[in-house]
Amino acid sequence: QKEVEQDPGPLSVPEGAIVSLNCTYSNSAFQYFMWYRQYSRKGPELLMYTYSSGNKEDGRFTAQVDKSSKYISLFIRDSQPSDSATYLCAILKGGYSTLTFGKGTMLLVSP
Amino acid sequence: NAGVMQNPRHLVRRRGQEARLRCSPMKGHSHVYWYRQLPEEGLKFMVYLQKENIIDESGMPKERFSAEFPKEGPSILRIQQVVRGDSAAYFCASSPPGLAGNYNEQFFGPGTRLTVL
Repeated sequence: QKEVEQDPGPLSVPEGAIVSLNCTYSNSAFQYFMWYRQYSRKGPELLMYTYSSGNKEDGRFTAQVDKSSKYISLFIRDSQPSDSATYLCAILKGGYSTLTFGKGTMLLVSP
Repeated sequence: NAGVMQNPRHLVRRRGQEARLRCSPMKGHSHVYWYRQLPEEGLKFMVYLQKENIIDESGMPKERFSAEFPKEGPSILRIQQVVRGDSAAYFCASSPPGLAGNYNEQFFGPGTRLTVL
C-alpha cells in the first residue's frame, strides 16, 4: 500500500462549481498535512497546511483532515479558470523534515 | 527577496554523459531538498542537505547520483552516466532553519527538466 494515495484525475468542472480533492494515507505517524498547487511547467507552491484534525479555511479554500480515517480533503468554492492546475497533497511525519507527496490531481475549470 | 533559483531550466544530455543541476536557496535558508518528478508520477524525495552536510539521502538512487551543498555556492545534484530513465523534472526546495520535526515551509524552485536522448 502506498503511503499517500491520490486520484490523478483529470477532474473537469464548470466555473463557479465547488471542487473536492482528496487523499488517503496509511501511516498514522504523519502529523502535518499540506496542499500544494502546481501550474504546468512550474514548481509547486504551498496553498495550505494543517496540523490537527478539523477544518482550516483561507478565502475560497478549505482544508479538512480526518486522522481517524486517514483522509484529507481540499475544497475550492466558486472555482475559477485560474484554479486549473495540478493539486498535490503532501504529508510530513513527526520528527522528519521531508515531504511525502501524492501523485497529484489535475483540475480543469472551464469558463 | 528572490525565490529559489534553479539552473539550467532545461538540460539535454546523451546517454552516458553527466548532468549537473544547480539550486540556490532563498536568502536566509540553510536547508535544501531535492525532489524528482517522473512523468505520471508525483514528486519523490531524493535528498535533504544542510550546509556541508547530507542529512537524509534515503530517496537517492545508490549509484550514479550524488548531491552536495557547499559552504559557499549553490547546491549541486550530479547524475553520472545518465540513462533515459533519468529524464524527469528535478525540483529543489529550501526552508529556513528550525526545529526538526516541526513544519518549516519548503519553498520550491521552478525545476530543471532533464531530457536524456
